[in-house]
Amino acid sequence: GDSVTQKQGQVTLSEDDFLFINCTYSTTTYPTLFWYVQYPGQGPQLLLKVTTANNKGISRGFEATYDKGTTSFHLQKASVQESDSAVYFCALVDSGGNYKPTFGKGTSLVVHP
Amino acid sequence: EAAVTQSPRNKVAVTGGKVTLSCNQTNNHNNMYWYRQDTGHGLRLIHYSYGAGSTEKGDIPDGYKASRPSQENFSLILELATPSQTSVYFCASGGQESSYEQYFGPGTRLTVL
Repeated sequence: GDSVTQKQGQVTLSEDDFLFINCTYSTTTYPTLFWYVQYPGQGPQLLLKVTTANNKGISRGFEATYDKGTTSFHLQKASVQESDSAVYFCALVDSGGNYKPTFGKGTSLVVHP
Repeated sequence: EAAVTQSPRNKVAVTGGKVTLSCNQTNNHNNMYWYRQDTGHGLRLIHYSYGAGSTEKGDIPDGYKASRPSQENFSLILELATPSQTSVYFCASGGQESSYEQYFGPGTRLTVL
């Protein structure tokens, strides 16, 4: 079945640092890829989405590029702020099959002022 | 605005008791999902549905049932609750209409004593 791997359980940064969160995936179909963000006490919400047609997603200063060759979908931001502290989930939907979503385990980002 | 609501928001149950978690969406999405979130495991899919009358097993369906009586409502049922089912449960809606982006509810914190 499909799988999504986020190896970084927690990332701790200072404001204005560069953010990189690693995400790799495995699927036999052509997926649609997502990054969701979850703030404390809330449900996850969409941060950005990428399909095989457009390769890159950009939202609120965050960027992710879909690399089919390395099956990766890393999340980046040039300069983080304390307000970016949250849990970030990488996810895929098997858009060529049963449309079942698969989430990574999440990466907790802590940004110190 | 699109909305997913869950009830109750908090629930304390006894071992062996029956628990029903309810979810309502006003997005008119065909698909609905139930997840549980535990530290170290991220979001795990329990059951999902493609429309009224349909339910599908997710990745961890054991001990749970689901019911989709209408487009708007999707319930998760724990017939015999156990302490291992203590968790935060999230409902979401989404489907082809939303390009498979999922809209999450605020979550239900369930404690089984």
